[in-house]
Amino acid sequence: DAKTTQPTSMDCAEGRAANLPCNHSTISGNEYVYWYRQIHSQGPQYIIHGLKNNETNEMASLIITEDRKSSTLILPHATLRDTAVYYCIVSSNNAGNMLTFGGGTRLMVKP
Amino acid sequence: GAVVSQHPSRVICKSGTSVKIECRSLDFQATTMFWYRQFPKQSLMLMATSNEGSKATYEQGVEKDKFLINHASLTLSTLTVTSAHPEDSSFYICSARVGQGQYFGPGTRLTVT
Repeated sequence: DAKTTQPTSMDCAEGRAANLPCNHSTISGNEYVYWYRQIHSQGPQYIIHGLKNNETNEMASLIITEDRKSSTLILPHATLRDTAVYYCIVSSNNAGNMLTFGGGTRLMVKP
Repeated sequence: GAVVSQHPSRVICKSGTSVKIECRSLDFQATTMFWYRQFPKQSLMLMATSNEGSKATYEQGVEKDKFLINHASLTLSTLTVTSAHPEDSSFYICSARVGQGQYFGPGTRLTVT
C-alpha cells in the first residue's frame, strides 16, 4: 500500500472548518483514500473514503486532487468532540486488504 | 454502519496466564477480520489477518504461538494471548472488512501485572 504523510498536529477553533491535509504521492490507480479518526482509548471510527471524485457525507467532505497525489479532509464546523487523531490511509479495495496506519494528525479543537 | 464488538473491554491478568479476547461482527458476516495492537502514544500496528475456516496470517515479528487466533465462524474471531507478560500490556483492536469499508471494534485494554 502507498505511504501517506500528514502533519503531526493541528489546532482548530470550535465552529470553524478543520482542513486536514494528506500527501499520498505514490498512490496506485486502484487505491482508495480512506480517512479514520481515533478518539482517546477508542477504536478507530470510519469517516469517509474516495477514489478520485470528491465525496461528502454527514461527517465530512473529502477533496482529492486531480492527480490523486494529495487530499484534504474537511470537517465543516468542528466541535470539541472532534478532537482526535485523524488517519489518512490509502488501500486497494480487495476484501482481504488490511489498512496500514501511519502516525496521523492529532487535531485539537479549542473553544 | 456495520458494528463490531469486543469483549472484554478491559482485562487485568497476572504474568504467565492466558487471556482470550473476542471480536464479533454484530450485523454482518465477516470472512476476514484483522487484529491490531496499539501501545501508548503510538499508532495501530497490524498483528494478524484472521480468515474464517483457515489459519491466520501473522505479520513479521508477531509470534503465532503466543498470539493464537481462531476464526471459527463468520461472526466471531478470538485472540488468545498465551503466557502473558507485562510487555504484552497494550490496547488490542479488531476490525472487519465490509464492502469498501473496514469497521473497528472498541478495543480491549490488556494490563499484565
